[in-house]
Amino acid sequence: NAGVTQTPKFQVLKTGQSMTLQCAQDMNHEYMSWYRQDPGMGLRLIHYSVGAGITDQGEVPNGYNVSRSTTEDFPLRLLSAAPSQTSVYFCASSKGGVYNEQFFGPGTRLTVL
Amino acid sequence: SQQGEEDPQALSIQEGENATMNCSYKTSINNLQWYRQNSGRGLVHLILIRSNEREKHSGRLRVTLDTSKKSSSLLITASRAADTASYFCATDTMNTGFQKLVFGTGTRLLVSP
Repeated sequence: NAGVTQTPKFQVLKTGQSMTLQCAQDMNHEYMSWYRQDPGMGLRLIHYSVGAGITDQGEVPNGYNVSRSTTEDFPLRLLSAAPSQTSVYFCASSKGGVYNEQFFGPGTRLTVL
Repeated sequence: SQQGEEDPQALSIQEGENATMNCSYKTSINNLQWYRQNSGRGLVHLILIRSNEREKHSGRLRVTLDTSKKSSSLLITASRAADTASYFCATDTMNTGFQKLVFGTGTRLLVSP
């Protein structure tokens, strides 16, 4: 099993550009989530999904969109990138939602100029 | 807002010593989890303790949970240089309408040979 994969590993954007961060898992987990990690602030939840077709907002959803058309994939879209979105983004998945172990991807380091 | 707060923010010890990290949280929980993050990598699950448990062991790890004080501690015994990492606690909530895991700000552990 590949586990949780994320692409790209690094990305540089200009303010106003849009892009999609990809996340995929091959463990048939129904729960998937996106976090951003900023220095000194730990991980903050952006959006999560409890199954295909079902998504909900986390703590910091503004400026981000998600959709979940399949169990395997949970892409995160930045609609119009801003410097405040410079961060490291992590995708995670689990069986049984937040009540079980979360499996994290390796992260995407995003810089917005 | 952060649910969990780790203490200390940073800890520096010698190989063979024990390391203790503490986590405090704000609301009633179902479970508390601890994760490790090596520099530049994703988070790795260490241990999960349920709200009706007071102590749990896994190898050199010992986790305690005091729900009356809303706090948990992670003890790493006989530490090794490879334990150098950041450690995060994560909590869910008793609100069954949510499926959100909230992470603390982390403790940076440095273990010197």
